[in-house]
Amino acid sequence: KNEVEQSPQNLTAQEGEFITINCSYSVGISALHWLQQHPGGGIVSLFMLSSGKKKHGRLIATINIQEKHSSLHITASHPRDSAVYICAVDSDEGGADGLTFGKGTHLIIQP
Amino acid sequence: DSGVTQTPKHLITATGQRVTLRCSPRSGDLSVYWYQQSLDQGLQFLIQYYNGEERAKGNILERFSAQQFPDLHSELNLSSLELGDSALYFCASSVAQGRSYGYTFGSGTRLTVV
Repeated sequence: KNEVEQSPQNLTAQEGEFITINCSYSVGISALHWLQQHPGGGIVSLFMLSSGKKKHGRLIATINIQEKHSSLHITASHPRDSAVYICAVDSDEGGADGLTFGKGTHLIIQP
Repeated sequence: DSGVTQTPKHLITATGQRVTLRCSPRSGDLSVYWYQQSLDQGLQFLIQYYNGEERAKGNILERFSAQQFPDLHSELNLSSLELGDSALYFCASSVAQGRSYGYTFGSGTRLTVV
């Protein structure tokens, strides 16, 4: 069973700062997902990665398959980026078995 | 609007009762996944259906069951409810069996058992 660890658990930063959230996992995967959850509950999929790097606006996600590690970066952070960011993995073990989630990083961006 | 519709958004019920949560997947998606998010356990996979058939089970209690209908909507049935079942229940859909195809999440149903 895959274990997914995220760090930090909580992060408070000032508007404009560069933010990095880390995720590591224990066994092989077919894909890694970064999700965003705002207060009030809804989950939005930000990125799906199986290799390399992806960029969308101010968000950048990278993955190193050999090191079993991924990072989510936010450039020029803004208070509207305040949310919980969750790393989740699709295992490459046989059979479709849903996502395994990290515990999330609670990010607060102060004006 | 993500395209995945979950109803109801909120549900308050008493211990011992039974409830049904509903999920309509994004148009064209054949797979439906159910997840539970609680304060102590975080997000956990419950069960997956693909084109009407159960394909995988996760940490789903025997008191819980689900099905996917011919129109591809899915229902999660929770019975003999306990206080600890209070949680957010999410549905996600995917084009195929989910692996590497990406997921679209619904906005969730918040269940409170009193």
